Amino acid sequence: QQPVQSPQAVILREGEDAVINCSSSKALYSVHWYRQKHGEAPVFLMILLKGGEQKGHEKISASFNEKKQQSSLYLTASQLSYSGTYFCGIPPQGGSEKLVFGKGTKLTVNP
Amino acid sequence: EPEVTQTPSHQVTQMGQEVILRCVPISNHLYFYWYRQILGQKVEFLVSFYNNEISEKSEIFDDQFSVERPDGSNFTLKIRSTKLEDSAMYFCASSLAGLAYNEQFFGPGTRLTVL
Repeated sequence: QQPVQSPQAVILREGEDAVINCSSSKALYSVHWYRQKHGEAPVFLMILLKGGEQKGHEKISASFNEKKQQSSLYLTASQLSYSGTYFCGIPPQGGSEKLVFGKGTKLTVNP
Repeated sequence: EPEVTQTPSHQVTQMGQEVILRCVPISNHLYFYWYRQILGQKVEFLVSFYNNEISEKSEIFDDQFSVERPDGSNFTLKIRSTKLEDSAMYFCASSLAGLAYNEQFFGPGTRLTVL
């Protein structure tokens, strides 16, 4: 049930782009993206829903491919503040009130 | 901006002791959650709580764990007899409504160390 994230880690220079993927072996109902900085709580970034609805930060974009059971988070023109670990979380079934998180993708943005 | 608060920030306890972790969710939120994160690992769901009862719980949330909303503002997680493997960061989260279209807001966490 745990979503699989790729890559595990990525290192960028400021201004570069990155794509983080989240895939599931089961049908996806929604995908929730969070960023966690070291020693801090996860911070909400975005929700993607079946049918194409999205809710979240204006500066972050993401896609949700129901057929491929996959979501991708696009970080463009990265800034130092983007550094952190990105987690995707999925409800294991429709109507579930729990999120199952992936193992995370560690993003490091260097000057 | 409203936020979820948690106390204490760090709790050290002896194995076998009971601990209570406290959370104050955002005031108009209706859904409450506990997650834990062992150092360097992913965030793991423990339990969700709505309308004064548990709506879902994970395999981790066994008889040693309980949750309570003793008044209109606090949400607590009790571990009856702590084990070494309970050492982790415990996050409380709240949501305005169900996860179908609503984000969870996480508190800053309580680091639990069991000796």
